[in-house]
Amino acid sequence: NAGVTQTPKFRVLKTGQSMTLLCAQDMNHEYMYWYRQDPGMGLRLIHYSVGEGTTAKGEVPDGYNVSRLKKQNFLLGLESAAPSQTSVYFCASSTDMNTEAFFGQGTRLTVV
Amino acid sequence: GENVEQHPSTLSVQEGDSAVIKCTYSDSASNYFPWYKQELGKGPQLIIDIRSNVGEKKDQRIAVTLNKTAKHFSLHITETQPEDSAVYFCAAVGSGGYQKVTFGTGTKLQVIP
Repeated sequence: NAGVTQTPKFRVLKTGQSMTLLCAQDMNHEYMYWYRQDPGMGLRLIHYSVGEGTTAKGEVPDGYNVSRLKKQNFLLGLESAAPSQTSVYFCASSTDMNTEAFFGQGTRLTVV
Repeated sequence: GENVEQHPSTLSVQEGDSAVIKCTYSDSASNYFPWYKQELGKGPQLIIDIRSNVGEKKDQRIAVTLNKTAKHFSLHITETQPEDSAVYFCAAVGSGGYQKVTFGTGTKLQVIP
């Protein structure tokens, strides 16, 4: 049981480049989330999905887009990367709204 | 919106001693309070959680207490071991679920052998 898998683990982008982070879960969870983690700050919610084909904005959505075409996958896109998007990104999933969230191992993104 | 404050930001204890991490929250509608442990290079992992209708919960060496009136909850680790060294995050989840979650800023716990 792999749980939540994120790809890639590391990436360096130049300002203005685009990229997509992939999150895959094999637990048949309805809810999926993308967070960013910055030094000295807690995890902040970027976007989330409550089921296949649905997406919604979280606390810090600007500069990001998401898609959930398949229940098991949640993609996070950066159309035009900026240095302020340098961060560690975590994907998570859960069965319900108020239950344990399972996190991936993270993607460390550096925008230069 | 919700505001979660977590203290201390760093904590060093001798192996075998107890460690206590405290969090306060502002939104009385928050009803689920998970604690996550994050080891270096890994994603957060749930270690214990508590719901607003419960005052205390224990799982072996780990316990969490909740005071709804004062809006604070605490993580207690007894008989600490070197493998307890990690960053611990508290969170407060509102009635909207993880869409309404606010995480604390984390506590780096170091257990000295």
